[in-house]
Amino acid sequence: EPEVTQTPSHQVTQMGQEVILRCVPISNHLYFYWYRQILGQKVEFLVSFYNNEISEKSEIFDDQFSVERPDGSNFTLKIRSTKLEDSAMYFCASSLPGLYTEAFFGQGTRLTVV
Amino acid sequence: GIQVEQSPPDLILQEGANSTLRCNFSDSVNNLQWFHQNPWGQLINLFYIPSGTKQNGRLSATTVATERYSLLYISSSQTTDSGVYFCAAPGGSEKLVFGKGTKLTVNP
Repeated sequence: EPEVTQTPSHQVTQMGQEVILRCVPISNHLYFYWYRQILGQKVEFLVSFYNNEISEKSEIFDDQFSVERPDGSNFTLKIRSTKLEDSAMYFCASSLPGLYTEAFFGQGTRLTVV
Repeated sequence: GIQVEQSPPDLILQEGANSTLRCNFSDSVNNLQWFHQNPWGQLINLFYIPSGTKQNGRLSATTVATERYSLLYISSSQTTDSGVYFCAAPGGSEKLVFGKGTKLTVNP
């Protein structure tokens, strides 16, 4: 069964460092997303990406964040200068085009900023 | 934007018991998804259920879109069912808005 894969599963970084979280969406999907879950809280939307550009972003997705689809298979989230409060689980998701199609989530990357 | 509320927030069961988790949403929806977050933090797709009823093994889900709620049924619960169950609905676009979840603990 096709699945969304994320790497790494866990990353520890020093405050102020840049991190790149990687995702391989399901191959025929065209919408890509990043969500974040701070420990013990609900899952929150960060950004959606379609046709090589951001289609929507939340207030959380400020200038320190960026997304990219560098080739035909990978989708990345970059955090330029990490803060302690960026520590969270980051989920990548993908879906077929069209509103209200099912979104499939990766297993998540646990980011710890120290 | 849409509000998604889940109840109960916590649920403790003995193995073998049945349970019902509820998800209420503030606006009409054309998509409703249920997820299980296991103790390792992974989000597992359970159901994509805009309306009607679906079953998958011991789990089933029903969405009554006109009344703005969805129910997740777990029968004959097992310790591996423990974790947090989330429902999520579209937030006016492709993005999903999640509820706060129901934390289920199944004791042996």
